Amino acid sequence: DAKTTQPTSMDCAEGRAANLPCNHSTISGNEYVYWYRQIHSQGPQYIIHGLKNNETNEMASLIITEDRKSSTLILPHATLRDTAVYYCIVRSNTGNQFYFGTGTSLTVIP
Amino acid sequence: EPEVTQTPSHQVTQMGQEVILRCVPISNHLYFYWYRQILGQKVEFLVSFYNNEISEKSEIFDDQFSVERPDGSNFTLKIRSTKLEDSAMYFCASRMRQGMSGNEQFFGPGTRLTVL
Repeated sequence: DAKTTQPTSMDCAEGRAANLPCNHSTISGNEYVYWYRQIHSQGPQYIIHGLKNNETNEMASLIITEDRKSSTLILPHATLRDTAVYYCIVRSNTGNQFYFGTGTSLTVIP
Repeated sequence: EPEVTQTPSHQVTQMGQEVILRCVPISNHLYFYWYRQILGQKVEFLVSFYNNEISEKSEIFDDQFSVERPDGSNFTLKIRSTKLEDSAMYFCASRMRQGMSGNEQFFGPGTRLTVL
């Protein structure tokens, strides 16, 4: 599975969009980009995933560059409850495990 | 919305004792996983399970660990002789199937294991 690089931490004002970047320059053609988050010591929570096209669901949007070497998770209107560690994970469709790195610690500020 | 459940939420045990951590995956899921997270560290993969057998395991998953799906609903992780370094949060996860959709893993709330 390809490695990912994320900033260690970010702040975002409540109500504003939170844009979390991820670099995955060694991603291969059959690998998907997944985003999870972990609030305090709770279980990781699935947010969104995509292959090539941009994706949107009720939680977030995922923007993947055309060369697929990087992506951005967008939380359109961050709330205090979005404070968490966000993990960008690249994994093939046939892979079993998820490799969790250190992620980005997002703090939403009132 | 269906979710993965885990019991107990917190388990305290003496070093050398056996513990069994229990998970009830989402009912129509076919693939099951255990991960652990030592306090302040990354979430680490332990084992995956499909069709009643282990499909992949990490170096952490040594002979002290075993998994079982004793009935149609439960998925268990057993640690035969616990060590101090086994103290961690243990997360169970499940997913539906391979393929473009349904490949995401859904995690339970975790069991905090404390070995004294």
